[in-house]
Amino acid sequence: KAGVTQTPRYLIKTRGQQVTLSCSPISGHRSVSWYQQTPGQGLQFLFEYFSETQRNKGNFPGRFSGRQFSNSRSEMNVSTLELGDSALYLCASSRIPGGHEQYFGPGTRLTVT
Amino acid sequence: AQSVSQHNHHVILSEAASLELGCNYSYGGTVNLFWYVQYPGQHLQLLLKYFSGDPLVKGIKGFEAEFIKSKFSFNLRKPSVQWSDTAEYFCAVGGEDSSASKIIFGSGTRLSIRP
Repeated sequence: KAGVTQTPRYLIKTRGQQVTLSCSPISGHRSVSWYQQTPGQGLQFLFEYFSETQRNKGNFPGRFSGRQFSNSRSEMNVSTLELGDSALYLCASSRIPGGHEQYFGPGTRLTVT
Repeated sequence: AQSVSQHNHHVILSEAASLELGCNYSYGGTVNLFWYVQYPGQHLQLLLKYFSGDPLVKGIKGFEAEFIKSKFSFNLRKPSVQWSDTAEYFCAVGGEDSSASKIIFGSGTRLSIRP
């Protein structure tokens, strides 16, 4: 059974640009959550999607947005990038909403210069 | 405020040594507790979890954790570590519904094992 995949794995952008990250959940999983991981901060919750609906959003500015498609794949977008957005962005999938059995992807390493 | 504290940022042990990583939390109501591990270059994966019942939880690879409600702690233990346990360990706490939005992760403890 294939795991959670994220593309791209690495990304370098400059300030002011925008970026789109993609996440494909495990087959049969309909819930996708996104996290931002930075050194010393641990993981911070960004979004949770289930059946194409955003169920929850973390405490991030409106520059961070996301969506989920009918095939459960999810994308997140960050507009007007700032240096502080440099981080590892993790996607996790689960069969149902909630954090009981989340399976994480390898992450997308975003560097903003 | 809800929070999770992992006081040890970096722990260095020799092989066969015993391990205990501390995790303390501040969270209102019934809690669900997790330990995740991230091996170098690999995905974050669940080591063990506590929802209810026996406060001593056994996970994969010989790890266990004990929920001590009176101390708001969920420390991770392993009696004898191996070089392959070198990784970063994250403690996390969530509410009863364990909505992903309500799960708070600690900042992590990096464990280095000397062969």
